[in-house]
Amino acid sequence: QVTLKESGPVLVKPTETLTLTCTVSGFSLSNARMGVSWIRQPPGKALEWLAHIFSNDEKSYSTSLKSRLTISKDTSKSQVVLTMTNMDPVDTATYYCARILESWSEYYFDYWGQGTLVTVSS
Amino acid sequence: EIVMTQSPATLSVSPGERATLSCRASQSVSSNLAWYQQKPGQAPRLLIYGASTRATGIPARFSGSGSGTEFTLTISSLQSEDFAVYYCQQYNNWPLHFGGGTKVEIK
Repeated sequence: QVTLKESGPVLVKPTETLTLTCTVSGFSLSNARMGVSWIRQPPGKALEWLAHIFSNDEKSYSTSLKSRLTISKDTSKSQVVLTMTNMDPVDTATYYCARILESWSEYYFDYWGQGTLVTVSS
Repeated sequence: EIVMTQSPATLSVSPGERATLSCRASQSVSSNLAWYQQKPGQAPRLLIYGASTRATGIPARFSGSGSGTEFTLTISSLQSEDFAVYYCQQYNNWPLHFGGGTKVEIK
């Protein structure tokens, strides 16, 4: 059974750095075909893709947020970590991690975590 | 970057009726398009990939069509559990992008 679970702080202050962890099970991050993305959704708004780490450890980032984001993975812990610097109240959102099965360039999200709400406030 | 535009923003439909949702890409994405359903308080769920292939366990009343820049998600006969927000996502080019969503509400 494939699962993804996000964890991290519920509340961060403006200018702080957010660190979120996605712990996966039911598949291996060392598998040649498994990648993980982070996606966020402000309350009442649309989904926004943030970053992806490929099975070969290459990374891709949202153009608008690239300077603030870092994605990495620890295959031994089955974890993908996202850091976002200089947090602002507009970054308040539910943050999801989701799996991409990287076969035949089919980069859609077949499994999602439950999401974690992060509020940015002083 | 490819911009995804969904219309309408809200669609009011009676149970049992047909719903047609549109998604337009600012440039061709071939058939590299997925549709997701999201209910309140839940994560999105994959419905369609490859523009027209239903994901595992998705009922046949959901169908997708289109290629290039114009795509459609059709729900042939709306059930109560289908009232939700629907998003399209292109994966032809990086960075990935979602559309703004269509809310399907009860008329």
